[in-house]
Amino acid sequence: KAGVTQTPRYLIKTRGQQVTLSCSPISGHRSVSWYQQTPGQGLQFLFEYFSETQRNKGNFPGRFSGRQFSNSRSEMNVSTLELGDSALYLCASSFQQGTGEQYFGPGTRLTVT
Amino acid sequence: GENVEQHPSTLSVQEGDSAVIKCTYSDSASNYFPWYKQELGKGPQLIIDIRSNVGEKKDQRIAVTLNKTAKHFSLHITETQPEDSAVYFCAADLGGSQGNLIFGKGTKLSVKP
Repeated sequence: KAGVTQTPRYLIKTRGQQVTLSCSPISGHRSVSWYQQTPGQGLQFLFEYFSETQRNKGNFPGRFSGRQFSNSRSEMNVSTLELGDSALYLCASSFQQGTGEQYFGPGTRLTVT
Repeated sequence: GENVEQHPSTLSVQEGDSAVIKCTYSDSASNYFPWYKQELGKGPQLIIDIRSNVGEKKDQRIAVTLNKTAKHFSLHITETQPEDSAVYFCAADLGGSQGNLIFGKGTKLSVKP
C-alpha cells in the first residue's frame, strides 16, 4: 500500500499571504489529522477530520482551517500568514476516528518570509 | 489538559548497548501510547505502541513498558545499531473518542559505531 502523501513538500510564502496544503491518506483510511512541528513547540495537534467532518480541534487560531473530501483526501489552509507559522506541517492518517494507529506523511515544510 | 514529559532530550550510546527513553503523562484517561522515530527530512514513523490493558509489548529489539498507576511508559532498544540514530517521540492520546495525540518533546538518540 502506498503511504501518506503530502503536497507540496516545500513552500515559501510572504507574510500576509495564504497557503493550502494537501494530504492523501493511506488507501482505506478515513481519518486524517494535521500537526504542526516546530523546534520550540514540538509536535502540536491542529485538527482531525473523519467522514468529511472536523471531529477535534487543537488550540490554534481561526486562521488555520481544513476540510476533507469524500475520497478522504484533506486540505489545510492558513490565511494571513505570520512569520511564526513557519513549520513542518504533518498529516497523519488512520483507519478509524479516535484512538488508533496514526501514520504520518513526510510533511510540508512551510517558510514564511 | 494532557501533558507528556520525555527524558532524556539527548542520548548517546555505543553500538550494541541498550537505550532507554522514559515518558510520563498526566491524564489518567489516556489509553493509547505510541512511539515514533523521526529521521532527518522525514515524517515520524510509528515503531511500536501499547494500550492501557497491556503492561509490556516487544517487537524484535524494541520493547515498551507501561505503568498506568505511576503514569509512565518507557521505550527500550537493545543491541543498538547506527541506523537506530534518530529522534524518538513518545505520545499519549486524550482518551474517549478524541484521536489527537499529545507528544513529548523528543529524544535525539546517537549510536556511535
